Amino acid sequence: DQQVKQNSPSLSVQEGRISILNCDYTNSMFDYFLWYKKYPAEGPTFLISISSIKDKNEDGRFTVFLNKSAKHLSLHIVPSQPGDSAVYFCAASVYSGGGADGLTFGKGTHLIIQP
Amino acid sequence: DAGVIQSPRHEVTEMGQEVTLRCKPISGHDYLFWYRQTMMRGLELLIYFNNNVPIDDSGMPEDRFSAKMPNASFSTLKIQPSEPRDSAVYFCASSSQESRRDEQFFGPGTRLTVL
Repeated sequence: DQQVKQNSPSLSVQEGRISILNCDYTNSMFDYFLWYKKYPAEGPTFLISISSIKDKNEDGRFTVFLNKSAKHLSLHIVPSQPGDSAVYFCAASVYSGGGADGLTFGKGTHLIIQP
Repeated sequence: DAGVIQSPRHEVTEMGQEVTLRCKPISGHDYLFWYRQTMMRGLELLIYFNNNVPIDDSGMPEDRFSAKMPNASFSTLKIQPSEPRDSAVYFCASSSQESRRDEQFFGPGTRLTVL
């Protein structure tokens, strides 16, 4: 059973507009959420994260919103640029008491930025 | 830094053969993760190590899979015997206590095809 769900396999957005990628989770123990970006033939790279004690985190053009009651998070990219075309993975983790944790990933959303 | 190094990048083998995937983490990182990406299941955690010791191997699919980390700079994931359903992209990632929480650095992956 998928604990992290990205229900849109793909999303097409015009350059300069806002891209909104969505993610839902089922495990209420998750307390940290991350977005990773992946280009073809490369490994995922970290983009932005948010702790469950916050509802928003912003880094330049990227903002992640967390709605704990709905178990939903979203990634906003404003404005969208051609280089943003990639697969975006939502990931979550449970605090294990220190150190690193294994991540639970969604299946990804392929974002295509149209010129 | 060269980043996480994985070899081989591509592997094609026949059912029943032994397959060994290799990973060199970023120097100084004390956590190492193995993930597998398939169309059906997305990116899933197989096993991770801390200071060369396996911490969580609950994601290892079955006894045909084994992973070792004999030293801080090398890890292997072995499949014996391999089956067509093992075809996937296998990623290795590493992180350190000094990384942002759960920011993991991924290698480029090994694309495994089992005929």
